[in-house]
Amino acid sequence: LAKTTQPISMDSYEGQEVNITCSHNNIATNDYITWYQQFPSQGPRFIIQGYKTKVTNEVASLFIPADRKSSTLSLPRVSLSDTAVYYCLVGDIGADSSYKLIFGSGTRLLVRP
Amino acid sequence: DTAVSQTPKYLVTQMGNDKSIKCEQNLGHDTMYWYKQDSKKFLKIMFSYNNKELIINETVPNRFSPKSPDKAHLNLHINSLELGDSAVYFCASSQEWAEGYNEQFFGPGTRLTVL
Repeated sequence: LAKTTQPISMDSYEGQEVNITCSHNNIATNDYITWYQQFPSQGPRFIIQGYKTKVTNEVASLFIPADRKSSTLSLPRVSLSDTAVYYCLVGDIGADSSYKLIFGSGTRLLVRP
Repeated sequence: DTAVSQTPKYLVTQMGNDKSIKCEQNLGHDTMYWYKQDSKKFLKIMFSYNNKELIINETVPNRFSPKSPDKAHLNLHINSLELGDSAVYFCASSQEWAEGYNEQFFGPGTRLTVL
């Protein structure tokens, strides 16, 4: 079963760029890599999704190397309101050949003034 | 306009009781999910339904039984509650079931406390 690995926590300051990496060595061939943001007492919120190379939207960029064994969520010029937990989500094919959805353990980002 | 709603938001109950959590989505999505988030914030999928058909059923005790009366609803019934069931339960939905494509919309969560 795939294991996704993320740093437990990161600190940053307002205005800086933050890069959070998730490793997913056994990602399923057809699977996308999805990132979510979660604030306290709320459900996760979709940020960005990609399959390979680079994807950019109005809030973040996602960098995926050719081997797809990792991905990096990039948040440009963070603000205090970006303080949250960030999760990567990938799929995997289990030992029983069934499809599995695997959330990373989450990275707690603290943005300081 | 709440996209994915859950009731109740908080649920406190005694061990051994049976309880249900309801979920509704008004997005017109075909696929719905139940997740459990423990005290360490790990998110684990429990079930997924696509067009009222069970498509994901992770290793979850038989005491947990999902019910999907229609595409817009996915309820979770838990029998004989145990202390270890205490967690936040999230419902989510996605437009369709497509392995690998995982844009999901989450509800606000139900915090279950078993005493």
